[in-house]
Amino acid sequence: NAGVMQNPRHLVRRRGQEARLRCSPMKGHSHVYWYRQLPEEGLKFMVYLQKENIIDESGMPKERFSAEFPKEGPSILRIQQVVRGDSAAYFCASSPLPPTSGVRMTYEQYFGPGTRLTVT
Amino acid sequence: QKEVEQNSGPLSVPEGAIASLNCTYSDRGSQSFFWYRQYSGKSPELIMFIYSNGDKEDGRFTAQLNKASQYVSLLIRDSQPSDSATYLCAVLYSSASKIIFGSGTRLSIRP
Repeated sequence: NAGVMQNPRHLVRRRGQEARLRCSPMKGHSHVYWYRQLPEEGLKFMVYLQKENIIDESGMPKERFSAEFPKEGPSILRIQQVVRGDSAAYFCASSPLPPTSGVRMTYEQYFGPGTRLTVT
Repeated sequence: QKEVEQNSGPLSVPEGAIASLNCTYSDRGSQSFFWYRQYSGKSPELIMFIYSNGDKEDGRFTAQLNKASQYVSLLIRDSQPSDSATYLCAVLYSSASKIIFGSGTRLSIRP
């Protein structure tokens, strides 16, 4: 059973270009989360998606950033007109259950290896 | 006030000693708490999960939760050099739609 897959692992973009980050959740998982991690910092929640639905995007910048999780295929995090401040590691995590299940039972998000975005 | 706070460290502990990592959180309604370990350049991995007040032990790891004080800690007994990593505290918010991470504590185990 393959784990969470992310590609590309490393992505270099010039300022103003678009960055597309892909995440394939573990088999059977329909809940996907995106996090951003700046150097020497913790993970910042960006967005929580289920198939074809954005459940919580409160951590995502209002402009230039968008995310989707279509019925078929991977989840995509898209960053338009990238700036140097977008340089970070972007992690995707998936789970088989919604976060509400974590109130009274073991709840785990499985993380992918991350995509390291460098904006030059 | 940050939603989840941790000392950034680095915390240096001699091999074989107990490492104590602390975390406070602001959302009083939070129900579930997690400790993740992250090696440099790698993705986080879950090592402990706790939702009841008190202690939860798993091997060399013990998580402690005090909801009244909004405080959660992780103890690592018999510390090993392989425990050197950044430890991230995470909290499932009462809205239950997202997990909020602290900025992490860097732990260094010296031989």
